[in-house]
Amino acid sequence: NAGVTQTPKFRVLKTGQSMTLLCAQDMNHEYMYWYRQDPGMGLRLIHYSVGEGTTAKGEVPDGYNVSRLKKQNFLLGLESAAPSQTSVYFCASSRLAGVGDTQYFGPGTRLTVL
Amino acid sequence: AQSVSQHNHHVILSEAASLELGCNYSYGGTVNLFWYVQYPGQHLQLLLKYFSGDPLVKGIKGFEAEFIKSKFSFNLRKPSVQWSDTAEYFCAVNRGNAGNMLTFGGGTRLMVKP
Repeated sequence: NAGVTQTPKFRVLKTGQSMTLLCAQDMNHEYMYWYRQDPGMGLRLIHYSVGEGTTAKGEVPDGYNVSRLKKQNFLLGLESAAPSQTSVYFCASSRLAGVGDTQYFGPGTRLTVL
Repeated sequence: AQSVSQHNHHVILSEAASLELGCNYSYGGTVNLFWYVQYPGQHLQLLLKYFSGDPLVKGIKGFEAEFIKSKFSFNLRKPSVQWSDTAEYFCAVNRGNAGNMLTFGGGTRLMVKP
């Protein structure tokens, strides 16, 4: 099993450009998450999904959109990138949202917005 | 709002020294508690978790953590660190009745000198 994979690993954008980050998991997990990691702030939840076709807002959703058309994929979109979105983005998945269920993380995407 | 505090942002130790990293949370209800580790250039991996039972939890690589409900704390410990423990450590909390969304602390960077 590859676990959780993310594409691309690195990306540089100019302000105003758009892009989509892809997360894929092969563990048949129901729940998927997108986080951003900034120095000194830990990881903050952007959006999450509790199953195919569903999405919900997390702690910092503004400026991002997501889609979960297939159970194994969770896409994060930036419609008009801003320098404040420079960050490392992590995707995660979990089997269920049960008590104590472990989230498994992908390797991250480092995004720089100039 | 629920918050998670890791008071030590940077810790430098020599090999064989003992380690204790603090984690405090603000929510008073039922919680599930996690410690994740991020080795340089890698994604987050679960070290250990607590959701019920014995408040002293043992994880991988000789790490353990103790849940002290009265202090709202879940400190991570290791009796003797190794150079390979150099990493960033994140405490995370989720409420038992709020699905699996995690709130992360800001992280602690540990450097172990050989």
